[in-house]
Amino acid sequence: EDKVVQSPLSLVVHEGDTVTLNCSYEVTNFRSLLWYKQEKKAPTFLFMLTSSGIEKKSGRLSSILDKKELSSILNITATQTGDSAIYLCAVVWGTSYGKLTFGQGTILTVHP
Amino acid sequence: NAGVTQTPKFRVLKTGQSMTLLCAQDMNHEYMYWYRQDPGMGLRLIHYSVGEGTTAKGEVPDGYNVSRLKKQNFLLGLESAAPSQTSVYFCASRTGGSYNEQFFGPGTRLTVL
Repeated sequence: EDKVVQSPLSLVVHEGDTVTLNCSYEVTNFRSLLWYKQEKKAPTFLFMLTSSGIEKKSGRLSSILDKKELSSILNITATQTGDSAIYLCAVVWGTSYGKLTFGQGTILTVHP
Repeated sequence: NAGVTQTPKFRVLKTGQSMTLLCAQDMNHEYMYWYRQDPGMGLRLIHYSVGEGTTAKGEVPDGYNVSRLKKQNFLLGLESAAPSQTSVYFCASRTGGSYNEQFFGPGTRLTVL
């Protein structure tokens, strides 16, 4: 069964800490992996990783795709309270129609 | 450019009632998706469409129907609502191909009593 699994499911840290969120996948014909941040409403796009683009960075956030281990990590350094959110991983796979499966999400809480 | 919009934003139904959720996008996207989000479950795909006039089942299609009569609109129908369908529903769209992000609508919070 094709699936996407995120860990941990929840994480509580203090401002200034560094966090690492994990996403592993078992799908047929992997095409790309996307990270989203969800606060109170709709998810907002962070990164897309593909076979030709396995590392992305934007400010304090960075992400790496490990094609051998079928996984990805999302790092957030010097966390701030505004980083508190649900972080979702999604994998595009299958035929060229690009079916997309989400993981359960990681709830990150950053305390002042 | 409104992006992806959803109507309504909130709705309360009684068991057995029917309703239709409307998703509209003005980005000329080929692919459109309907998801439901429940606590601890992430986003689960209900149905999706890869073009006008086409629809396909996702992970949790039972109890839902969809139609894509126009490229810009994707409708999600509940014929006979059940309490298990209480959830937040998100619509999303993207251009064709495998390497493009999805754009999400603001969501519809549905409660079935």
